[in-house]
Amino acid sequence: QSVLTQPPSASETPGQSVTISCSGSSSNIGRNNVYWYQQLPGTAPKLLIYKNNQRPSGVPDRFSGSKSGTSASLAIGGLRSEDEADYYCATWDDSLGGPVFGGGTKLTVL
Amino acid sequence: EVQLVQSGAEVKKPGESLKISCKGSGYTFSLSWIAWVRQMPGKGLECLGIIYPGDSDTRYSPSFEGQVTISADKSINTAYLQWSGLKASDSAIYYCARLASGSRQAIDYWGQGTLVTVSS
Repeated sequence: QSVLTQPPSASETPGQSVTISCSGSSSNIGRNNVYWYQQLPGTAPKLLIYKNNQRPSGVPDRFSGSKSGTSASLAIGGLRSEDEADYYCATWDDSLGGPVFGGGTKLTVL
Repeated sequence: EVQLVQSGAEVKKPGESLKISCKGSGYTFSLSWIAWVRQMPGKGLECLGIIYPGDSDTRYSPSFEGQVTISADKSINTAYLQWSGLKASDSAIYYCARLASGSRQAIDYWGQGTLVTVSS
């Protein structure tokens, strides 16, 4: 059971937008920055969003992050087939004293 | 460019010991926390623990305390994850990863992963 809660799956058609949610608590998302990762099949996770809404260089602006209270969201606009992947949220948990993850959301681009 | 390069895939028998490594480059290795993350087949990401190579301050996630040992040698920019008695349930991909700068942050860079297979 993951500390952060994500929907296990999401799907949308090419060109459309999708939002993936990540729910936590006051000891993690409520107090700390949220990070998002994309994991393509057979590869290591890759940083998509850091510190709630910042994009590393090279990440398209179709990807955006937001945070409110103890929840966060990743929005992907203009979906493309290459966006099919697993997406994970993460943050620091003050009670556990380390980083924690969501269970991951498998995105299917229909 | 920040890079974390991990040692290669391992096949071991139950009860055997194992130590895998993660070498950092492109940044000051001793000044950033390193995390070890497990991904079991078809499953999500779990943090086993973290280490600060500068002083080897190490913290384990409750589920993994006593199950693994995390260490680092800052003189050669390398972190380690080891087991003293492997179980079949330890079969997984293990990633090392760097925590972003600043306190209480999550991961910004990942290693390529080390596949560990434990089978009789």
